[in-house]
Amino acid sequence: KAGVTQTPRYLIKTRGQQVTLSCSPISGHRSVSWYQQTPGQGLQFLFEYFSETQRNKGNFPGRFSGRQFSNSRSEMNVSTLELGDSALYLCASSLGGQGNYGYTFGSGTRLTVV
Amino acid sequence: QKEVEQDPGPLSVPEGAIVSLNCTYSNSAFQYFMWYRQYSRKGPELLMYTYSSGNKEDGRFTAQVDKSSKYISLFIRDSQPSDSATYLCATSLMDSSYKLIFGSGTRLLVRP
Repeated sequence: KAGVTQTPRYLIKTRGQQVTLSCSPISGHRSVSWYQQTPGQGLQFLFEYFSETQRNKGNFPGRFSGRQFSNSRSEMNVSTLELGDSALYLCASSLGGQGNYGYTFGSGTRLTVV
Repeated sequence: QKEVEQDPGPLSVPEGAIVSLNCTYSNSAFQYFMWYRQYSRKGPELLMYTYSSGNKEDGRFTAQVDKSSKYISLFIRDSQPSDSATYLCATSLMDSSYKLIFGSGTRLLVRP
């Protein structure tokens, strides 16, 4: 059974540019969550999607956005990149039912902003 | 103050030792508690999860939740060098169970 796939694995962007990251969840999983991981702040929740609807959003500026497609694949976009956006971006998928904690994480996309 | 506090370590133990990893949290409304293991250059892997207070055991791993003191623990028996990783505790409210709040992680090194 394939795991959560995130592409690309590594990305280098210039300040001011925008970036799109992709996440393919485990087959049958309808919930996709995104997290940002940095040495200083640890893992922080960005947003969660279920059946193409955003159900919850973390405390990040509007430059961070996401969406989910009908096949449950998800993308997140960061516009007007800042140096502080350099981080490991992790995607996690689950079945999505209440109380289901079978979150499976991908290996992440490491974004470096220069 | 962070909602979930965790000692970053590193924690270095000899092979075969019993390891105790701990977190404290501030919000008494948290109901779900999880432990994740993260190897270098990998995403977190779910090890254990518990609901409310109590103990849960799975092989060499035991998770404990004490809601009265807002304290969660993970014990690893007969630790192995392959257990060397960063261990993250996480928690969640009941009404937004799809948002996890993580501790900063404890780096564990098991020496052969």
